[in-house]
Amino acid sequence: AQKVTQAQTEISVVEKEDVTLDCVYETRDTTYYLFWYKQPPSGELVFLIRRNSFDEQNEISGRYSWNFQKSTSSFNFTITASQVVDSAVYFCALVILTGGGNKLTFGTGTQLKVEL
Amino acid sequence: AAGVIQSPRHLIKEKRETATLKCYPIPRHDTVYWYQQGPGQDPQFLISFYEKMQSDKGSIPDRFSAQQFSDYHSELNMSSLELGDSALYFCASSLEPSRGSGNTIYFGEGSWLTVV
Repeated sequence: AQKVTQAQTEISVVEKEDVTLDCVYETRDTTYYLFWYKQPPSGELVFLIRRNSFDEQNEISGRYSWNFQKSTSSFNFTITASQVVDSAVYFCALVILTGGGNKLTFGTGTQLKVEL
Repeated sequence: AAGVIQSPRHLIKEKRETATLKCYPIPRHDTVYWYQQGPGQDPQFLISFYEKMQSDKGSIPDRFSAQQFSDYHSELNMSSLELGDSALYFCASSLEPSRGSGNTIYFGEGSWLTVV
């Protein structure tokens, strides 16, 4: 069975600080996808990124960057120069395709609070 | 771009009543998923459909049923509602995962169900 662990339940930072959200996953499958979703207070789930298990290249999108390391089964998410609008719950999730039916296994989420 | 459309956004039902949620996937997406998110929890997979056939089943109560119609929209029917069914219900859609890079799963804004 697969599992996603987000050990940080809640993080508080001051605006303009950098913050890293940790994600550790477990799966025996060699083919899988990792996702990050953002859930602002309004409740919707916003897709941020998808990464497949064969692509360990790090990715940067504006103030967001992701560090995927298969050796440590981690897929960490960094927000640079955080802003109040970044305040949300962030979920890391895993999909395996082998008999997994493409369903997401979510971590428990990290509540990020960015204050002025 | 068109997103996943869910209706209603909010509904309040009494115990033992029935509720129906509707979902219209992103155009050309052939796979629909339903997730349930309780307060302070991560989303839990309920059920999915591919080309109008059930493709996978998660922790969906027997009191719940779902189907996907010929126009690919889906409905989640919940009967004999209990207080514990109060949650945010998400519909999501994607292309069938074996179609290469098509398995990014996009979520709707969710339907808030309150059972009183």
